[in-house]
Amino acid sequence: AQTVTQSQPEMSVQEAETVTLSCTYDTSESDYYLFWYKQPPSRQMILVIRQEAYKQQNATENRFSVNFQKAAKSFSLKISDSQLGDAAMYFCAYGSGNTGKLIFGQGTTLQVKP
Amino acid sequence: AAGVIQSPRHLIKEKRETATLKCYPIPRHDTVYWYQQGPGQDPQFLISFYEKMQSDKGSIPDRFSAQQFSDYHSELNMSSLELGDSALYFCASSLGANSGANVLTFGAGSRLTVL
Repeated sequence: AQTVTQSQPEMSVQEAETVTLSCTYDTSESDYYLFWYKQPPSRQMILVIRQEAYKQQNATENRFSVNFQKAAKSFSLKISDSQLGDAAMYFCAYGSGNTGKLIFGQGTTLQVKP
Repeated sequence: AAGVIQSPRHLIKEKRETATLKCYPIPRHDTVYWYQQGPGQDPQFLISFYEKMQSDKGSIPDRFSAQQFSDYHSELNMSSLELGDSALYFCASSLGANSGANVLTFGAGSRLTVL
């Protein structure tokens, strides 16, 4: 069975600084996707970034980028130039193949300090 | 742009009662997913539908059932409610037949409280 682990329950960052959230996963599958979702206090789940396992190039979306280390089964999220609006719970998620059946990690609460 | 609409947003029920949650996907999205997020927990996959047929099943209790209708909206029916069913229930939709099938758009969630 696939598992997703986020070992940092809470992180904090100063506004305009950079922060990295960690995620590791375990799978024996070769076809999968990895995701980072943001859940602000409104509880809405918002897709931040998506990575296809067969692509070696790390995905980027504006200030958000990932460091995908397939052999190490690591998928960290880097947030550059942190903004107050980035404060939220961040979930790492795994999806087999091209399905929306996702397995989520435990989440990391990010605090952004002004 | 139209989003995923869930109703009701809040629902309070007594133990052993029945609840029904509704989900209206983004227009032209043919796949619907249901997730349950307990207090302080990560979302757990319950069930999904593609073109009105059940496509996958997760940790959904036997007391729960769901379906997708001809207009692609979906309903999650929960019977014999227990205190542990208190959670935020998310619906998400996607286009199931292309490379973006796992690009989910989530609704705002329906918060169920069982007393």
